[in-house]
Amino acid sequence: GQQVMQIPQYQHVQEGEDFTTYCNSSTTLSNIQWYKQRPGGHPVFLIQLVKSGEVKKQKRLTFQFGEAKKNSSLHITATQTTDVGTYFCAFKVVDSNYQLIWGAGTKLIIKP
Amino acid sequence: GAGVSQSPSNKVTEKGKDVELRCDPISGHTALYWYRQRLGQGLEFLIYFQGNSAPDKSGLPSDRFSAERTGESVSTLTIQRTQQEDSAVYLCASSYDRGSGEQYFGPGTRLTVT
Repeated sequence: GQQVMQIPQYQHVQEGEDFTTYCNSSTTLSNIQWYKQRPGGHPVFLIQLVKSGEVKKQKRLTFQFGEAKKNSSLHITATQTTDVGTYFCAFKVVDSNYQLIWGAGTKLIIKP
Repeated sequence: GAGVSQSPSNKVTEKGKDVELRCDPISGHTALYWYRQRLGQGLEFLIYFQGNSAPDKSGLPSDRFSAERTGESVSTLTIQRTQQEDSAVYLCASSYDRGSGEQYFGPGTRLTVT
């Protein structure tokens, strides 16, 4: 079946450092969504990207969709303790009326 | 308005017993999903309902698992003869359109099989 590779699995950063997670697919994607799951919580929708090369920003978060629509990234500038959690990408494949396929998630850990 | 609700929030059961988990989606959402999330792991797709279409059951791990949904309302996930490896958080999500829209998650049911 369709899969997406999300890396890294974990990222430890000092507060104030940047964080990036990547999702890569071998298949062209119709769209890609990003979700955040706080420890003990449930996933919460952050954003959806649809267009080739699209870049969207939400305060310190920058989301990108690759030109070939096969990869995406989420970058957080100057991390804060409130950013802690696991970030998931989820996507729909072109020409598929199928449900979303989920990446494995990247866990952001702030070093004490 | 109300979000997705799930009940119970926690369930402890003995191995071999049956359990039933309930999900109330957001009113008007045609798509409903069940996922399983083991501790520290990602989301494992179980089943997908879209309106009155036949559900996509491709993610159900065994025939002990089944789910029903009546129209666009409540869904129940049933696990028969529970095993210890069934212990996980079971998440329900709903979305407005044909499955590619933003998903709204419920708080989950934490199932512990002893």
